[in-house]
Amino acid sequence: NAGVMQNPRHLVRRRGQEARLRCSPMKGHSHVYWYRQLPEEGLKFMVYLQKENIIDESGMPKERFSAEFPKEGPSILRIQQVVRGDSAAYFCASSPLKGNTEAFFGQGTRLTVV
Amino acid sequence: DQQVKQNSPSLSVQEGRISILNCDYTNSMFDYFLWYKKYPAEGPTFLISISSIKDKNEDGRFTVFLNKSAKHLSLHIVPSQPGDSAVYFCAASFQGAQKLVFGQGTRLTINP
Repeated sequence: NAGVMQNPRHLVRRRGQEARLRCSPMKGHSHVYWYRQLPEEGLKFMVYLQKENIIDESGMPKERFSAEFPKEGPSILRIQQVVRGDSAAYFCASSPLKGNTEAFFGQGTRLTVV
Repeated sequence: DQQVKQNSPSLSVQEGRISILNCDYTNSMFDYFLWYKKYPAEGPTFLISISSIKDKNEDGRFTVFLNKSAKHLSLHIVPSQPGDSAVYFCAASFQGAQKLVFGQGTRLTINP
């Protein structure tokens, strides 16, 4: 049973370009979460999705950021018109059940904006 | 507003001794707490969790203690091993919210 798969592992974008980060949850997991970790900080919640639904996007910046989890395929975190401050590690996690349970994390995508 | 705080950025412990990592929280609505371990360039790995109805949970070398009145939890690792060197994150959640609120992390170094 493969773990949570994120790609790419490293992504370099110039200011103003778009970044697309992909996450395939563990088999059987229907809940996906995205977190961002800035240097020397803890992980900050961004968005929680179930298939075709955004359940909680309270941690998402109001502009330029969007997320989806389509019926088929991976979850996508999309950042439009990236700025230097978007440089961070973005982690995806998945869980099988609703309610309190541990989430399993992918290895992350390290985004660098130059 | 840092709802989950790990006030020690780093901790150094001799191999074989006990490592104690601390975490404080401010939101009394939290009812589930977790510890994650993270190596450089990897995602966090789940270690152990505890529900607010308990005050202790043990799994092998790892024990988590929860003091609800003090809004404090701690992770004990005994005996500490070199492979335990990593950054440890405390996280909390509450029913209906799903999302985890993380502390800033504590870098644990186990010295031979």
